[in-house]
Amino acid sequence: GAGVSQSPSNKVTEKGKDVELRCDPISGHTALYWYRQRLGQGLEFLIYFQGNSAPDKSGLPSDRFSAERTGESVSTLTIQRTQQEDSAVYLCATGLDQPQHFGDGTRLSIL
Amino acid sequence: AQSVTQLDSQVPVFEEAPVELRCNYSSSVSVYLFWYVQYPNQGLQLLLKYLSGSTLVKGINGFEAEFNKSQTSFHLRKPSVHISDTAEYFCAVSDQSRAGGGNKLTFGTGTQLKVEL
Repeated sequence: GAGVSQSPSNKVTEKGKDVELRCDPISGHTALYWYRQRLGQGLEFLIYFQGNSAPDKSGLPSDRFSAERTGESVSTLTIQRTQQEDSAVYLCATGLDQPQHFGDGTRLSIL
Repeated sequence: AQSVTQLDSQVPVFEEAPVELRCNYSSSVSVYLFWYVQYPNQGLQLLLKYLSGSTLVKGINGFEAEFNKSQTSFHLRKPSVHISDTAEYFCAVSDQSRAGGGNKLTFGTGTQLKVEL
């Protein structure tokens, strides 16, 4: 597709379960970002990938959060042992450097 | 650390009228500045950015923004809005020490622009 694609669009899971969120970038976009948006708040930076460089993981809130990306391909964000405070919309953005286009996000709800 | 304040959560305006969406930032270092737009049922997309040079930056769809360092502002303007400009607009800032300034953007909470006939 022409845009950033995220899946699933919605995810409801029980506290303590692991979840995996997926981001398909726009072809040719070397930079990929994950952000989190909690209800009524601004976007919160999580992690940044640029090509084959080591990712900037400084925004990950705890060691339960991890993300992977191989080269300029798909990225997955994994949250282990989910907690209720993880409920949010998780957004992926890609670009050549700055975030150019965002996906529609994955709305994660932890019961 | 940086912070961004968008004082207006909603701005109603009539079609063909001018509009200004306000953005103020706080930072202890030099910054890059961005505006993003989110149209209904679509993802965020970059509208314009200030990295260096002229403080007046022009973006897509006739929008422009002016960087004012002394007032720590980056207000977004359009001289004549259209119904299709109805969207949510987010201001963002990043630390200039980062190459390209792209990562670790700090976003404001957004301003909903509603254009009416």
